[in-house]
Amino acid sequence: DVKVTQSSRYLVKRTGEKVFLECVQDMDHENMFWYRQDPGLGLRLIYFSYDVKMKEKGDIPEGYSVSREKKERFSLILESASTNQTSMYLCASRRRLAGEGEQFFGPGTRLTVL
Amino acid sequence: KNQVEQSPQSLIILEGKNCTLQCNYTVSPFSNLRWYKQDTGRGPVSLTIMTFSENTKSNGRYTATLDADTKQSSLHITASQLSDSASYICVVRGNTGGFKTIFGAGTRLFVKA
Repeated sequence: DVKVTQSSRYLVKRTGEKVFLECVQDMDHENMFWYRQDPGLGLRLIYFSYDVKMKEKGDIPEGYSVSREKKERFSLILESASTNQTSMYLCASRRRLAGEGEQFFGPGTRLTVL
Repeated sequence: KNQVEQSPQSLIILEGKNCTLQCNYTVSPFSNLRWYKQDTGRGPVSLTIMTFSENTKSNGRYTATLDADTKQSSLHITASQLSDSASYICVVRGNTGGFKTIFGAGTRLFVKA
């Protein structure tokens, strides 16, 4: 079974803090994704990575950065957290860009910024 | 603009009853459509995938249909169980531009005893 894990289920941070969200997958997938999920909206893509050290902006990259130094690990960084970044953050991985494209999701991190 | 719209936003049914969730999309050209189930506090899990040539696909008590001409899909749940309470998300993947994936906002289903 594919397993995608995220470092925290719940996080509470203060405005201006630097926040790191970690995601690890154990199936040697090339592609990894970070989404945020807000009520009434579909998942929105923040960043994705085709492979190690590669990254592409998604639909809402402002205020975020990412790092992929190893194939199994994809980190999302909030340089200076703001209240409008309070959300559920979901990480996903996928074997390759083409094809059927099933994404396997982690359990999510619910981030609250006070 | 590529969009995926789901209806209803939420639905309450009694255990044992059937229900149908709807998904309309404008993504073109179309590659495939997936239905995901997301339990509370968990990440989405794929239920079915449908490509252009497929009309119906079943996964246990879940049956998905696709009409590629009208760009509509439905997910039918038969003999609902309490464990079916979840959000159901329709996801459409395009066939160009990096195979862009568009997520619907989901339908929140509550199954009551």
